[in-house]
Amino acid sequence: GESVGLHLPTLSVQEGDNSIINCAYSNSASDYFIWYKQESGKGPQFIIDIRSNMDKRQGQRVTVLLNKTVKHLSLQIAATQPGDSAVYFCADTTTSGGSYIPTFGRGTSLIVHP
Amino acid sequence: NAGVTQTPKFQVLKTGQSMTLQCAQDMNHNSMYWYRQDPGMGLRLIYYSASEGTTDKGEVPNGYNVSRLNKREFSLRLESAAPSQTSVYFCASSGGDSHSGNTIYFGEGSWLTVV
Repeated sequence: GESVGLHLPTLSVQEGDNSIINCAYSNSASDYFIWYKQESGKGPQFIIDIRSNMDKRQGQRVTVLLNKTVKHLSLQIAATQPGDSAVYFCADTTTSGGSYIPTFGRGTSLIVHP
Repeated sequence: NAGVTQTPKFQVLKTGQSMTLQCAQDMNHNSMYWYRQDPGMGLRLIYYSASEGTTDKGEVPNGYNVSRLNKREFSLRLESAAPSQTSVYFCASSGGDSHSGNTIYFGEGSWLTVV
């Protein structure tokens, strides 16, 4: 079946380093991708999104790269801070019944060491 | 701006008991969703509602029922709770289409334990 997955369950970095979180998807019909951040005890929060007609999108300290050829998505966080410590989820989105339905990966835990 | 509000935040149930998780959004969104999150499993879709008056099954609907009471509210009911339904439940909403936006906004979660 279709799935979204993450290569690494845990990523440890030093404060100030750049972080890269990877994600693979298998649904070639997906046309919209989202990254979420989830802090302990809270709901997922939207970080950045990208449509399938783009290969790169930048936000504040974050960049998402999309490689449709190999069905790969990555989230880059520049100058990682302790406040970035959280679980990060990628999601690919398909359309069903007029609604966008995201399918989430299992998540990567980012640990930032001061 | 409350966003997505879900209640209760914590609940302990005995096996076989029933309960309803309530969810409301104040963003005038068309679509609403219920997810469950288990350790190592990510977020799995239980049910969703593309618009007021419609509901559809997601990946893991067994043991649950939903009601889209109006555009604001989408409730999740466990008729006969089982220990396998111990999980964190998240309600979410989105504009629902390419014009109004498909970013999904989540509530803060409801921690449910079935003993």
